[in-house]
Amino acid sequence: EIVLTQSPGTLSLSPGERATLSCRASQSISTNYLAWYQQKPGQAPRLLIYGASHRATGIPDRFSGSWSGTDFTLTITRLEPEDFAVYYCQQYGSSLWTFGQGTTVEIK
Amino acid sequence: EVQLVESGGGLVQPGGSLRLSCVASGFTFTSYEMHWVRQAPGKGLEWVSYISSTGNTRHYADSVKGRFTGSRDNAKNSLYLQINSLRAEDTAVYYCAREGIAAPAYFYYMDVWGKGTTVAVSS
Repeated sequence: EIVLTQSPGTLSLSPGERATLSCRASQSISTNYLAWYQQKPGQAPRLLIYGASHRATGIPDRFSGSWSGTDFTLTITRLEPEDFAVYYCQQYGSSLWTFGQGTTVEIK
Repeated sequence: EVQLVESGGGLVQPGGSLRLSCVASGFTFTSYEMHWVRQAPGKGLEWVSYISSTGNTRHYADSVKGRFTGSRDNAKNSLYLQINSLRAEDTAVYYCAREGIAAPAYFYYMDVWGKGTTVAVSS
C-alpha cells in the first residue's frame, strides 16, 4: 500500500503570504493519480487539484500543484482569509485510494 | 445543481448494523463511479469503498473488508453502504463522493462530495 506523508503538520502564515505544502509518496505513482483537497471545519472536502497539476473547475489560479519524483507540492501564492483550512493529498494505486494525514494552514 | 445527499447514520451499539444511503441528483448517475469516505472525530480522511458505474466492481479498505458492503441502484440514483459488526473505531462522518471524469486521460479523484452522515458506535 502506498503511504502519503504530508508536511508540515501545521503551517502558520499571514494573509498575503505564500503557502507551500508537501505530500511525499512512499513509492512512485503516476501524476494522474494525485489529487489535493481543501476542507474547512464542519464542511465536506472540496477538490482543488487533480492529476497533480490540473485545477478543478472554479478553483482560483493562486492554487497550483507541481511535483518532482515522489514529492508533490501544493502552492497557494497569496493566502486569502478563506484559504485557512486543512489540506489533504490523495492517491490511487492497486485498487486502493489513500489520503495523506493533512496539513493545517492556520492564521499566524 | 449537482448534489449528493447522505442519510442513514445514527447511534448504534457495538456489533450492530446500519445501512447508509446517498441520493444523487443533477447529473447522470449511471455514468459515474462512486466512493464512500469517512472521517473520525478530529481525524483525517479515510477512503472506505469504491463501486463502479454498473456496480459490478467493488473495492474496500482493509479496515472494513468483510464487514462493509457497497451497492447501488441506478434506477433510483442511489448509493448504499451496508455496515455490519460495527466497532467503536467506525465512529465517523461518512461521505459519499463522485469519482471525477476527465476523458480521454484517466485520473483518479473525487470531484463532488455530500455533506456526510454521522455514525456513532457506543454502548
